[in-house]
Amino acid sequence: AQSVAQPEDQVNVAEGNPLTVKCTYSVSGNPYLFWYVQYPNRGLQFLLKYITGDNLVKGSYGFEAEFNKSQTSFHLKKPSALVSDSALYFCAVSDQNSGYALNFGKGTSLLVTP
Amino acid sequence: NAGVTQTPKFQVLKTGQSMTLQCAQDMNHEYMSWYRQDPGMGLRLIHYSVGAGITDQGEVPNGYNVSRSTTEDFPLRLLSAAPSQTSVYFCASSPGFSEQYFGPGTRLTVT
Repeated sequence: AQSVAQPEDQVNVAEGNPLTVKCTYSVSGNPYLFWYVQYPNRGLQFLLKYITGDNLVKGSYGFEAEFNKSQTSFHLKKPSALVSDSALYFCAVSDQNSGYALNFGKGTSLLVTP
Repeated sequence: NAGVTQTPKFQVLKTGQSMTLQCAQDMNHEYMSWYRQDPGMGLRLIHYSVGAGITDQGEVPNGYNVSRSTTEDFPLRLLSAAPSQTSVYFCASSPGFSEQYFGPGTRLTVT
């Protein structure tokens, strides 16, 4: 069975500071990992993914994530946070054994203050 | 491309009523899925389809039916609405082992 954990319900960061949103996962096969962002009353927008290849993945809006197989983690990072980054962030995982179905974490609310 | 579209945007039902949430995509994606989002629960998979004529259950399928007669459409049917089905419902599509594209959601309230 696969699972995703986002250990922080909320992350608070000052604008201009680096941000990290944590995600750990458990899968039986090779993981396919994704980050999505949700703004209020909107659907989910894709940020980035890891399927294979380089462990450091760059995505939309200056976000990046590092796949760490030994720690089974896929933390989302950004060097300099913007107030407009404030939103709900979801980590998701699938693997070849689960078909295309995504298993989502519970989400982390990011608040960037001016 | 319109992407993934969902109708209606909002719906209020009485307990016991039935309805269909519509989902359509114009990207010729084989994979489509339905999720529900509840506060503090993330998104939970209800049903999914890997192609026309093929559907399967997700994590929380009870009380919901789906069918996939065409590649474009993947309706979700609530057979007899219950207050526990009050939620925001998202449809998504994907070309395969890749990112999923989400619709704008349907906010359903069952009284």
